[in-house]
Amino acid sequence: DVKVTQSSRYLVKRTGEKVFLECVQDMDHENMFWYRQDPGLGLRLIYFSYDVKMKEKGDIPEGYSVSREKKERFSLILESASTNQTSMYLCASSFRRRGNTEAFFGQGTRLTVV
Amino acid sequence: GEDVEQSLFLSVREGDSSVINCTYTDSSSTYLYWYKQEPGAGLQLLTYIFSNMDMKQDQRLTVLLNKKDKHLSLRIADTQTGDSAIYFCAERAGYNFNKFYFGSGTKLNVKP
Repeated sequence: DVKVTQSSRYLVKRTGEKVFLECVQDMDHENMFWYRQDPGLGLRLIYFSYDVKMKEKGDIPEGYSVSREKKERFSLILESASTNQTSMYLCASSFRRRGNTEAFFGQGTRLTVV
Repeated sequence: GEDVEQSLFLSVREGDSSVINCTYTDSSSTYLYWYKQEPGAGLQLLTYIFSNMDMKQDQRLTVLLNKKDKHLSLRIADTQTGDSAIYFCAERAGYNFNKFYFGSGTKLNVKP
């Protein structure tokens, strides 16, 4: 069974803390993604990575950074957490090819910044 | 990013058909997807359609694609209370086959 695993289901952090969200996939996918989900706004792409050490900004990268040191692991970093980063964060992965390739999702991390 | 638009809510009675609509902007999109998200969970793929197809049927699900109008729809026949969820339309943009762009999601409420 294919799996994308996010390290935490729920997190509560204080304003100004550095926060790490971890994601691991076991499908040997080249692509990995971080989205945030907010009511009425759907999924917005924060960053994605198409290979180890490669990354590309999505639509809302401000306040975030990412790290991909190994193919199976993609980390999202909130350098200094703020209350407007309270959200549901979803990690996904997919193969990188021209034919059909679906994105597989983790279960999500609900982050609350207080 | 690309614009993918959906209405936010849909309410139907159990046993009726549900139709969820989506519009997208990238005419070079190669694949279009429907995902389902149940409460507290990640997204799961329901079905997809290749851009050279007009229709795809998979059991109770029918996907219709109007490429000229950039309009995608998902019909669920004989809707059940277990179908209550958020449904996301997504496109994989043709110029950059790495990225998936999602709509805002349509919350389907099925009344008994």
